[in-house]
Amino acid sequence: GAVVSQHPSWVICKSGTSVKIECRSLDFQATTMFWYRQFPKQSLMLMATSNEGSKATYEQGVEKDKFLINHASLTLSTLTVTSAHPEDSSFYICSALDPREHQETQYFGPGTRLLVL
Amino acid sequence: KQEVTQIPAALSVPEGENLVLNCSFTDSAIYNLQWFRQDPGKGLTSLLLIQSSQREQTSGRLNASLDKSSGRSTLYIAASQPGDSATYLCAVDPGNEKLTFGTGTRLTIIP
Repeated sequence: GAVVSQHPSWVICKSGTSVKIECRSLDFQATTMFWYRQFPKQSLMLMATSNEGSKATYEQGVEKDKFLINHASLTLSTLTVTSAHPEDSSFYICSALDPREHQETQYFGPGTRLLVL
Repeated sequence: KQEVTQIPAALSVPEGENLVLNCSFTDSAIYNLQWFRQDPGKGLTSLLLIQSSQREQTSGRLNASLDKSSGRSTLYIAASQPGDSATYLCAVDPGNEKLTFGTGTRLTIIP
């Protein structure tokens, strides 16, 4: 199947700093990517849909000014957690739709663990 | 709002046994349902996808069923192995690829 990578795999930062997480589709072009968040012992929650060349659409309750999403190319979407606080500590996972396959086929990245001190 | 629940939250079984994981969802207007596997600290691996018009899908030792009208799906694992130990997640797609995930079942296969 298709491959999606994330970088970094983990990051520790001080409260108040901004952290950028990259999501790349390695062997296909993805016009649509998704960002999810997973708190310990909880399930994945969709944060936003990233669309290449247009603004991201955010789910209810997700602050768009805090979680900046940029889908500048067909293989890269970035999530920037601005002014991170300890409550933002979580596991962030992206997924990408492979247009070569059935529309519903999403490939997930390995995730990025963020710890804000 | 769609809610997806998985029971049990955790399950431990001896190696070799067959087992069933359950997933229920409140809104039956789904396009498809997927089962994923997640290893600790890792991303997701898709196991099976069932379209809303299908009743079941099989892949190797895995069999997933779907009863859309009752809002239920099951994942059957035959002849369990220690390598099957992981968290299993089900997720429903209403048709716009925005998945709603269940709470997960943490499975431990005891050698």
